[in-house]
Amino acid sequence: QKEVEQNSGPLSVPEGAIASLNCTYSDRGSQSFFWYRQYSGKSPELIMFIYSNGDKEDGRFTAQLNKASQYVSLLIRDSQPSDSATYLCAPTGGRALTFGSGTRLQVQP
Amino acid sequence: EAEVAQSPRYKITEKSQAVAFWCDPISGHATLYWYRQILGQGPELLVQFQDESVVDDSQLPKDRFSAERLKGVDSTLKIQPAELGDSAMYLCASSDGFAEAFFGQGTRLTVV
Repeated sequence: QKEVEQNSGPLSVPEGAIASLNCTYSDRGSQSFFWYRQYSGKSPELIMFIYSNGDKEDGRFTAQLNKASQYVSLLIRDSQPSDSATYLCAPTGGRALTFGSGTRLQVQP
Repeated sequence: EAEVAQSPRYKITEKSQAVAFWCDPISGHATLYWYRQILGQGPELLVQFQDESVVDDSQLPKDRFSAERLKGVDSTLKIQPAELGDSAMYLCASSDGFAEAFFGQGTRLTVV
């Protein structure tokens, strides 16, 4: 089992819809969870950080964490074509950031 | 704004040649990572430094890859000899402890 599992996609949603991106992880010691966005040919950039169970909202982005189920998700409301990118999940528990393979999101105008 | 500097941005090399990448992290960041990213996959950790010490190099192919961070600041990743399968993006990132990692622009390596 991989440490971090993500559906590679592509996940295609129409403009204005909600995009839901999911991630499961195997290390129960993971304490913090990062979501990075990576545009094609560019480096990853952090968009959300969560460490407590429940929801964390930042603008159009909501991260949801369930440590008991070892599951973290990212919701993007009012999706825009500029949100089209690969979204990488990265749990950390005092070790190096380990990334999932990423989910490619396509927002159709 | 502080950023992670990497060079070169692009590198084309012939197989069996040596190649080196350089990274200068954000000032004050003790943790430095080297990742390899193959197209369509997530970044794969090659090595993690804490200051000048290697914390994790379990995924570094040590028969051909080496990494150093002699003074605990900038770092060099070397491949010798390069193989066709080494073609990838090599990303350097730095962080202050186990907080957010900031990435450089990466080095796109093509081995021919």
